[in-house]
Amino acid sequence: DGGITQSPKYLFRKEGQNVTLSCEQNLNHDAMYWYRQDPGQGLRLIYYSQIVNDFQKGDIAEGYSVSREKKESFPLTVTSAQKNPTAFYLCASSMAQGHTEAFFGQGTRLTVV
Amino acid sequence: AQSVTQLGSHVSVSEGALVLLRCNYSSSVPPYLFWYVQYPNQGLQLLLKYTSAATLVKGINGFEAEFKKSETSFHLTKPSAHMSDAAEYFCAVSAGSGTYKYIFGTGTRLKVLA
Repeated sequence: DGGITQSPKYLFRKEGQNVTLSCEQNLNHDAMYWYRQDPGQGLRLIYYSQIVNDFQKGDIAEGYSVSREKKESFPLTVTSAQKNPTAFYLCASSMAQGHTEAFFGQGTRLTVV
Repeated sequence: AQSVTQLGSHVSVSEGALVLLRCNYSSSVPPYLFWYVQYPNQGLQLLLKYTSAATLVKGINGFEAEFKKSETSFHLTKPSAHMSDAAEYFCAVSAGSGTYKYIFGTGTRLKVLA
């Protein structure tokens, strides 16, 4: 079955450490996205990519980095520069042409301990 | 620029009652609008989408939404609430050609009372 896989489901990190969240899709979508979700704030866009080897900052990119070396993969690194990294992170993908819907993974809950 | 406003962060209805979740949008170009549902600790699932083909859009689980350009609204309705409808609902607008970004509202948490 086609879909988006995020791993791990739960992640704990010590302050000062970088951590990478995985996102893989087999929908053959060109566009991929990372969102951060906090209670009462909806989804905020961190980074998005419309094509391999290209990506753009979203609204809250500070303290995060991404890569897009393969069409299927769009990993997100939460760096030690992110001041408040505890959140629920959602990866999504969509076709690049036309106004189609985004498909979401099941999310990764990151907790800084 | 596009934006979405969802009125009411929490809505409670009795089981069997009408569900109405409000969404107003702002867009400088013809919008493409979406409603998603999220259950706890899960990703978002598409309920329905408006892409200019018809103003009344039917979705999954008995939900529907009506696009009203004059009111810049895309409210989500369901005639009879079920306990399984308890979840968080998000309205979203596509940011237009060239970017393919999605702008999400802040969400409405629906509680269904027995």
